[in-house]
Formats: sequence, C-alpha cells, structure tokens
Amino acid sequence: AQKVTQAQTEISVVEKEDVTLDCVYETRDTTYYLFWYKQPPSGELVFLIRRNSFDEQNEISGRYSWNFQKSTSSFNFTITASQVVDSAVYFCALAGDGNNRLAFGKGNQVVVIP
Amino acid sequence: NAGVTQTPKFQVLKTGQSMTLQCAQDMNHEYMSWYRQDPGMGLRLIHYSVGAGITDQGEVPNGYNVSRSTTEDFPLRLLSAAPSQTSVYFCASSPWGSSYEQYFGPGTRLTVT
Repeated sequence: AQKVTQAQTEISVVEKEDVTLDCVYETRDTTYYLFWYKQPPSGELVFLIRRNSFDEQNEISGRYSWNFQKSTSSFNFTITASQVVDSAVYFCALAGDGNNRLAFGKGNQVVVIP
Repeated sequence: NAGVTQTPKFQVLKTGQSMTLQCAQDMNHEYMSWYRQDPGMGLRLIHYSVGAGITDQGEVPNGYNVSRSTTEDFPLRLLSAAPSQTSVYFCASSPWGSSYEQYFGPGTRLTVT
C-alpha cells in the first residue's frame, strides 16, 4: 500500500519569505512516481510536477523547487520569495508501478500574508 | 478540448435520496477515477476504471456505484445519500500508466442534509 504524509497542516508566511513543504512517502514498489498538485482558493487541482523514483535530480521551475531524497523517502517542495498568489493547498501524491491510483497526502495549507 | 467536465457544480440532497454525478473527458484517456475531498483528509479514491467496461474499488467505495460504458463517461452514483457523503467530489482522467499526471475536473460540492 502507498502512503503519503504531509505533517504540516497550515503554514503562514510573510510575503517574500521562503516556505518549504515536507512530503514523506511509503511504498514497497521499486518504481513509483511522485507528484505535487496545487489547489488555489478557486478549488481546482493544478498539476505542478512529476518525478519518477529513478530520477533523484532536484528540479527548479521559476520560484518553485523540489528536493527528492530516496534515502529518506522524501519529496519536499520549496517556494522561494513567496507571493500572495501562492496561497493555496498543496498536495503531494504517489502512484505505484503499473497503476494510476494516486495516494494523496492530507495537504499543506499555505497562507502568504502581504 | 474541454478536458474533464463535471456536472453539477453544486448539489443539495436529503438523506436517502439518490443521484448521479456526471463526469466526461474528451482526451480519449483510458483511466478515469473519482475522489472525494474532505477537510483535513486530502483526496481519497472512491472508484476507478482502466477502460470501458472495467471498474474497480478504491479506498472508500461504500455507498457509491460506478459504471463505464464508454471511454468518455464515468458517472458516480449515490444510491441512498447519507450526511457522511457530504464532500467535494473530483473526477480525474489520464492515459494508462502511473507516470502520467491526472487531469482533474472542477469538482462537485455535495451537501446531504
């Protein structure tokens, strides 16, 4: 069974501060895929990134970066120089090999204070 | 492409009523699924389908039925609504294969009184 833990429920930061969201996962599969989704106040789910278990390179996309560490089963997400538009719930999710079933964490509510 | 569409956006039911949440996608995706989102619980998988005529249960299937007669449509039926089914429901689709990101519909907010 797949399990994803996002321990921090709500995180408040002042605009321009950095914020890091922790994601720890459990799986018995050797091949698996990790995802981050954003859910802004409007409610839709927006795909941010996908990472497969064999690719431990960190990734940066604009102000967003991701740190994948297989040794600690973590796939953390950092927003640099946060902006009010980053206020949202962020979900980490895991799909095991050979199936599309996503196991989601409970989400991190990020509040960016102007 | 419209992507994944869901109807209705909002619905209020009385306990014991039945209804069908509609989901359709125009991307020819094999895989479709239903999730429910409850405060503090993340998204939990209700049912999923890997193609027309094939469905299976997810993590929280009780009280829900699905069928998949076409590639495009994947309706979710509540047979006898209960207050515990008050939630936001999301439909998603993707090509078959765990490497693909899933495309989510806009959601249906259901309240059962």
